Amino acid sequence: SQTIHQWPATLVQPVGSPLSLECTVEGTSNPNLYWYRQAAGRGLQLLFYSVGIGQISSEVPQNLSASRPQDRQFILSSKKLLLSDSGFYLCAWVGQATPNTEAFFGQGTRLTVV
Amino acid sequence: GNSVTQMEGPVTLSEEAFLTINCTYTATGYPSLFWYVQYPGEGLQLLLKATKADDKGSNKGFEATYRKETTSFHLEKGSVQVSDSAVYFCALTFGNEKLTFGTGTRLTIIP
Repeated sequence: SQTIHQWPATLVQPVGSPLSLECTVEGTSNPNLYWYRQAAGRGLQLLFYSVGIGQISSEVPQNLSASRPQDRQFILSSKKLLLSDSGFYLCAWVGQATPNTEAFFGQGTRLTVV
Repeated sequence: GNSVTQMEGPVTLSEEAFLTINCTYTATGYPSLFWYVQYPGEGLQLLLKATKADDKGSNKGFEATYRKETTSFHLEKGSVQVSDSAVYFCALTFGNEKLTFGTGTRLTIIP
């Protein structure tokens, strides 16, 4: 069966420090991968999505970047965190083989920038 | 572009009350529609879905019907429980394109 792992679960980082959040998927090949952010009391904002290795689309200009070094690995990074980067980050995948299928989400990473 | 408009929250109901959370969408064509639920501190889980007009998705006592004429996918449950307290997201997609989410509705059920 397919599973998605996201870590760490919580993270407290000082302003100006770097960030690396990792997401891996098991049990499927060539998934579409997504990073979303959920700010406190707000909805989901799509940050990045990827349809293949090395293929990254950015939805909004920001202080973050994403990479997909392997088929089932998706990494969210920042060189210097801002206070506004605080939020709940969610990784998700969708299988390309089956159309109109749902997305599967990781458990999320709660990032607090102090 | 595609968009989803969801009922503003928060919504507070008593246990065993009837629930409706409204969701309407704007899209060119006929997307697939979803309701996701997010329990405190967790990621999102699929609650139900419908992939074509007049389909009804159902799960755990929740239902939603894909209404093409009103471009709506309202979530309903006849008798809510305390354990239904969560944030609910309506979403749409075309094929395997990225999901477009509504802003979410926080539901609190009081005993």
